[in-house]
Amino acid sequence: KAGVTQTPRYLIKTRGQQVTLSCSPISGHRSVSWYQQTPGQGLQFLFEYFSETQRNKGNFPGRFSGRQFSNSRSEMNVSTLELGDSALYLCASSLVAGSTYEQYFGPGTRLTVT
Amino acid sequence: AQTVTQSQPEMSVQEAETVTLSCTYDTSESDYYLFWYKQPPSRQMILVIRQEAYKQQNATENRFSVNFQKAAKSFSLKISDSQLGDAAMYFCAYRSAGNTDKLIFGTGTRLQVFP
Repeated sequence: KAGVTQTPRYLIKTRGQQVTLSCSPISGHRSVSWYQQTPGQGLQFLFEYFSETQRNKGNFPGRFSGRQFSNSRSEMNVSTLELGDSALYLCASSLVAGSTYEQYFGPGTRLTVT
Repeated sequence: AQTVTQSQPEMSVQEAETVTLSCTYDTSESDYYLFWYKQPPSRQMILVIRQEAYKQQNATENRFSVNFQKAAKSFSLKISDSQLGDAAMYFCAYRSAGNTDKLIFGTGTRLQVFP
């Protein structure tokens, strides 16, 4: 069974641009969560989706948005990029949100904003 | 709000020896889950072990075991017979019970394993 895939793996953007990151969960998984990892702030929860509905959102500005499609694939978008948005963005999927099933993480997308 | 604290930024252990990583958390909830995740240099986050708060018995997975002290809000990870492949960042994480997968992570402990 294929694991969680994230595309692209690496990305370089300029301040002010926008970016879209993609996450494909493990087949059959319906819950997807996103995290931002930086050296300064550590791992911070961005949002989670289940059956195309956003269930939870972390404390991030409105420039960060996401969505989930009917096939459970998820995208996150960051508009008007700032230097501080440089980070590793991780997504994780599970069968059902809040269950005892394990969450599986993808390899991450490394975003660099210059 | 829940918080997770890892007070050891770095730890080191000799191969085949035992090491314990500390984690404390704060919550007013009575039902929750606690996790230890490992993040090697490849960056792929891997679940090491999970503990349900309602279970008194400490979880064990092969060489990995936890010491869960609910009253003290402490959740330490013991790695026995350490191997070179155990070298990684280790994150302690908290998740509320209920319909959420949201994890609250600690700041991590970097574990070095020396031959």
